[in-house]
Amino acid sequence: GAVVSQHPSRVICKSGTSVKIECRSLDFQATTMFWYRQFPKQSLMLMATSNEGSKATYEQGVEKDKFLINHASLTLSTLTVTSAHPEDSSFYICSATQDGFYEQYFGPGTRLTVT
Amino acid sequence: GDSVTQMEGPVTLSEEAFLTINCTYTATGYPSLFWYVQYPGEGLQLLLKATKADDKGSNKGFEATYRKETTSFHLEKGSVQVSDSAVYFCALDSNYQLIWGAGTKLIIKP
Repeated sequence: GAVVSQHPSRVICKSGTSVKIECRSLDFQATTMFWYRQFPKQSLMLMATSNEGSKATYEQGVEKDKFLINHASLTLSTLTVTSAHPEDSSFYICSATQDGFYEQYFGPGTRLTVT
Repeated sequence: GDSVTQMEGPVTLSEEAFLTINCTYTATGYPSLFWYVQYPGEGLQLLLKATKADDKGSNKGFEATYRKETTSFHLEKGSVQVSDSAVYFCALDSNYQLIWGAGTKLIIKP
């Protein structure tokens, strides 16, 4: 089946630094990738949708200059949290879809802790 | 807009009990419906899905039937195990984007 990986699985960084999270589709070409954020005891919040080779579409209330998304190839998307603050600490999950298919395949998630 | 409503948790059951987690939705058109599971410390996994009315999705002993007349997709399992303890999310596909329920935490006690 379709496999999506994320790296790193856990990261701790200091306030003010930037952190990059990678999302890769291992055995299929992902024309669209999604980035979600999950707050404790809450549901997933869609942050942005990215299509290969074009700019990401951000959901209302998500700062695009803070959460930089790059989808440079059909197998890789990156989320960079710039100038991280403790309130950015969360569980970030990516998902990917193949062209013409609606089903999303999820990565295992990245736990970000900003100290 | 489209939305998904799940029963609030946590739901606490004893091992071998019968499980029902309610999920209702509002949507235009005919969305596909999903149940996802998130085990402690892990990412999301697709548990089961149904793509049209009256379809029944099933996996690992869990079942859910797509009921258009009641706009529901309730998750059921006849006999739960401690290993089923997790958070369960109901979701619908709306124009290639998933709309999520709030999630229901399930706790199974031995």
